[in-house]
Amino acid sequence: DQQVKQNSPSLSVQEGRISILNCDYTNSMFDYFLWYKKYPAEGPTFLISISSIKDKNEDGRFTVFLNKSAKHLSLHIVPSQPGDSAVYFCAASSGSSNTGKLIFGQGTTLQVKP
Amino acid sequence: EPEVTQTPSHQVTQMGQEVILRCVPISNHLYFYWYRQILGQKVEFLVSFYNNEISEKSEIFDDQFSVERPDGSNFTLKIRSTKLEDSAMYFCASSVPGQGQQYFGPGTRLTVT
Repeated sequence: DQQVKQNSPSLSVQEGRISILNCDYTNSMFDYFLWYKKYPAEGPTFLISISSIKDKNEDGRFTVFLNKSAKHLSLHIVPSQPGDSAVYFCAASSGSSNTGKLIFGQGTTLQVKP
Repeated sequence: EPEVTQTPSHQVTQMGQEVILRCVPISNHLYFYWYRQILGQKVEFLVSFYNNEISEKSEIFDDQFSVERPDGSNFTLKIRSTKLEDSAMYFCASSVPGQGQQYFGPGTRLTVT
């Protein structure tokens, strides 16, 4: 049941450049999307989110873009820093779920090289 | 900054034994969750808990699993008779009503031998 997919298992970028992480979803009931960052031996840490009524949300170096017609979202990190090296998970939830359970993608490992 | 805590960080148990994983959610949060991540796989939802009862559970959360909020601070996940395939990282999370993001604990690594 691959409702949320991150098709790139890994991404490597140079420090200072832009990192673009992608996520696709299939369930049109999803109306809230989140990005989490995870370091080894730690739990996922919330980064940024976007509601389906928006197409962009920005927080410092992090911007999330949502394309509802394509059922696609992306996370842009500019400029990338070595400390950004981690696994990034895309997650989605549906307002029809009264508990807000999150459905996660498989994750993309980002490596930012100094 | 308030955070979700989990104990133990690592639990090793034999197949068929009962385990209890413990979590202390953030104090003003009202929704509580358990997720798990089998090595190399995605993070999967297990159960959500609100107002002292289960509000939603996944297919994974069968009769071997139970959750409880025994006091005002702890939130536990019990696996009655562990199986090898229960080996995973178990994450507790909590959130406030109306806020979409959930805050995760550091996880408990459960190893069933």
